[in-house]
Amino acid sequence: GAVVSQHPSRVICKSGTSVKIECRSLDFQATTMFWYRQFPKQSLMLMATSNEGSKATYEQGVEKDKFLINHASLTLSTLTVTSAHPEDSSFYICSASVFDPGRNQPQHFGDGTRLSIL
Amino acid sequence: AQKVTQAQTEISVVEKEDVTLDCVYETRDTTYYLFWYKQPPSGELVFLIRRNSFDEQNEISGRYSWNFQKSTSSFNFTITASQVVDSAVYFCALSEGVRGGSEKLVFGKGTKLTVNP
Repeated sequence: GAVVSQHPSRVICKSGTSVKIECRSLDFQATTMFWYRQFPKQSLMLMATSNEGSKATYEQGVEKDKFLINHASLTLSTLTVTSAHPEDSSFYICSASVFDPGRNQPQHFGDGTRLSIL
Repeated sequence: AQKVTQAQTEISVVEKEDVTLDCVYETRDTTYYLFWYKQPPSGELVFLIRRNSFDEQNEISGRYSWNFQKSTSSFNFTITASQVVDSAVYFCALSEGVRGGSEKLVFGKGTKLTVNP
């Protein structure tokens, strides 16, 4: 089945550090990738939608200068949390999808990144 | 606007009991997809089922079954003869449009299921 690799799985760093999270589709080309955020014991909330070769579309309330998304190829999207602070500590999870009318595949999720800012 | 409501925040059962997790959704689209995911303590999302809005047939997969009723906008999930390994947070999700869920998902708040031995 389709596999999405997300790296790193866990990050602990100091306040003020910028952190990059990678999301790769390993065996398919993802035309669209999504980034979700999950606070402890809460639901997953969509942060942004990223289409290969174009700017990401951010959900209301998500700071695009804070959460930089790059989708430079059909197999890789990155989320950079710039100048991270303790309130950015969260579980970030990506998903990847390909629009294939013949098969109508659902999106495939990475295993998530647990980010802790000290 | 699309919305998913999982009214049960936490459920605790004893092993071998049957348990039903409720999901109610709202959408203005006539074409949409509904999903259930399992999230164990390790955090990854495990895909359980996808159902499109035109298919109201109930589905059974082993100990899992799903009841989709458009008349009540519900997509409930039942685990029969629950096991300790079923302990997890379960999310119901909705994707509007025709792309099978390759578009953005709106998740419910999740139901934490604890199965005690």
